[in-house]
Amino acid sequence: EAGVAQSPRYKIIEKRQSVAFWCNPISGHATLYWYQQILGQGPKLLIQFQNNGVVDDSQLPKDRFSAERLKGVDSTLKIQPAKLEDSAVYLCASSLGTSGRLNEQFFGPGTRLTVL
Amino acid sequence: GQQLNQSPQSMFIQEGEDVSMNCTSSSIFNTWLWYKQDPGEGPVLLIALYKAGELTSNGRLTAQFGITRKDSFLNISASIPSDVGIYFCAGQQGDSWGKLQFGAGTQVVVTP
Repeated sequence: EAGVAQSPRYKIIEKRQSVAFWCNPISGHATLYWYQQILGQGPKLLIQFQNNGVVDDSQLPKDRFSAERLKGVDSTLKIQPAKLEDSAVYLCASSLGTSGRLNEQFFGPGTRLTVL
Repeated sequence: GQQLNQSPQSMFIQEGEDVSMNCTSSSIFNTWLWYKQDPGEGPVLLIALYKAGELTSNGRLTAQFGITRKDSFLNISASIPSDVGIYFCAGQQGDSWGKLQFGAGTQVVVTP
């Protein structure tokens, strides 16, 4: 079974530029998550989708971050404009559902973003 | 901010030794998960716990869901060099719709 796919793996941009990340979850997984992981910390949830609807985006900086999952499968996360503090690894995860064993989340390899 | 307190922050151990780490919170959780993250990779799920008092093993790894539902423990027995990495605990609260809260991680270094 293929895992969660993410691209690109690395991205270097200057502040105020825009960037987009792509995620393809495990086939059949209804729930998709985007996490931000700053160096030395655990992942922090940015946004959660159930199929193509947003379940939780309470920690997404909506003035600069946006995400979509139009057909309920793959998803994109965009930052516009980027700030220095956005330098982090952006992880995508997916799960079958949201409770009990259905919420075992499987992570992609992440995209390491460096903002100069 | 993160509500899970994970300790120790790092451990330097010799090959063959046992490793113990724990995660505590002031809140009750319904699910505890333990992940391992290697450099440049995403976290990999090691063990999942769903009931208070549950003790689950995966090879040399054993994890327990605390009776109070506010803590969890992970033990690694007879460590080997490939155990090197960062171990994260993650918890899900009952009304969280799948949202996981992560600890800050325990970095394990194994020396021959």
